Amino acid sequence: GEDVEQSLFLSVREGDSSVINCTYTDSSSTYLYWYKQEPGAGLQLLTYIFSNMDMKQDQRLTVLLNKKDKHLSLRIADTQTGDSAIYFCAESPRNTGFQKLVFGTGTRLLVSP
Amino acid sequence: DAGVIQSPRHEVTEMGQEVTLRCKPISGHDYLFWYRQTMMRGLELLIYFNNNVPIDDSGMPEDRFSAKMPNASFSTLKIQPSEPRDSAVYFCASRRDRDVTDTQYFGPGTRLTVL
Repeated sequence: GEDVEQSLFLSVREGDSSVINCTYTDSSSTYLYWYKQEPGAGLQLLTYIFSNMDMKQDQRLTVLLNKKDKHLSLRIADTQTGDSAIYFCAESPRNTGFQKLVFGTGTRLLVSP
Repeated sequence: DAGVIQSPRHEVTEMGQEVTLRCKPISGHDYLFWYRQTMMRGLELLIYFNNNVPIDDSGMPEDRFSAKMPNASFSTLKIQPSEPRDSAVYFCASRRDRDVTDTQYFGPGTRLTVL
């Protein structure tokens, strides 16, 4: 199947770290992605990770990939109120010819002051 | 680059009316995707084009929905006749064939309300 699963909601306090988790189904996906959707806006690519990597760090963002368990996580350090948004993980499965992205349900992150 | 452009940003119409949503992809992008987002069903891929040719329309919910891409810089998604259950945010996205990361770039969306 092509189910990408995420928890629906996460609430943190400003300054804390946030960890958003995702499980995917297709181990053949070459890249895995994190997109951010702010209220009233489209999805914006945050970061991606190549499937042969375990970790990728980009400023406050850390992506961890566990291929054995098909588990992807996004850690946001020093979370700010401006990070409040919906975060989607996505994969590009081989059975789509790597042409389509399959998105998770999205995790709504709420950052309180 | 201006990014993916969609119009209108908001559309309110009455049941039974025809609705046309428009998208201009990023110049030089070979793929164009139409998505629908609702609270109940999340983000659904409706159809996508490669070099103006529809490749996969298996996500189009029914015959009331149709999409065209007459040239590389323009696509439409049409609903005729519209129904209240079509109310959603419709996104267009594009990407370059030569982008090895397969990253898609999304437009701001069209919020459709069918009364």
